[in-house]
Amino acid sequence: AQSVSQHNHHVILSEAASLELGCNYSYGGTVNLFWYVQYPGQHLQLLLKYFSGDPLVKGIKGFEAEFIKSKFSFNLRKPSVQWSDTAEYFCGAEGSYIPTFGRGTSLIVHP
Amino acid sequence: ETGVTQTPRHLVMGMTNKKSLKCEQHLGHNAMYWYKQSAKKPLELMFVYSLEERVENNSVPSRFSPECPNSSHLFLHLHTLQPEDSALYLCASSHPRDRATGELFFGEGSRLTVL
Repeated sequence: AQSVSQHNHHVILSEAASLELGCNYSYGGTVNLFWYVQYPGQHLQLLLKYFSGDPLVKGIKGFEAEFIKSKFSFNLRKPSVQWSDTAEYFCGAEGSYIPTFGRGTSLIVHP
Repeated sequence: ETGVTQTPRHLVMGMTNKKSLKCEQHLGHNAMYWYKQSAKKPLELMFVYSLEERVENNSVPSRFSPECPNSSHLFLHLHTLQPEDSALYLCASSHPRDRATGELFFGEGSRLTVL
């Protein structure tokens, strides 16, 4: 069965700091990867996704993620966070049409 | 607004009650999902329906019973629940393509409290 692990459960940063959220997945076959974000009081929405091609994926709001197949990782990065990035971030993996998520990382950005 | 609407937004029920959660999408998607979101746990996939047929039942207790009467509506029928079933229940839909689920569009969730 596929699974997703997010290593950072709570992250607190100051504005302009750099962000990296870890994500590892376990799945034996071809996998699609994604990050979703849930802003306070809002629904989950897609931040970025990797299906194939360039392993460095760029998403909305300056976020990017790098797929490293040898490490089964898909870490999320942003060079300079803003207060508005405060949210819950979920890493996900999908094999055979079954999307599986990690437990989420709560990010708080102080102004 | 995501195009996926869940009702009710909040539900409090006793362990002997029977209630239902409803999800509706008008995005033309043909796959629908129920997830359970609990604190300190991964987002748990419960059920997947594709073209109104259940294609995944992720070892969910029988006190949760899904129903998908058409591609726009999904229900989660609840009966004799336990306090540990208290959680946020999320509905999502997608339009699968090319061996991929496609982007999931989530509703805002139904917050369930079991007393």
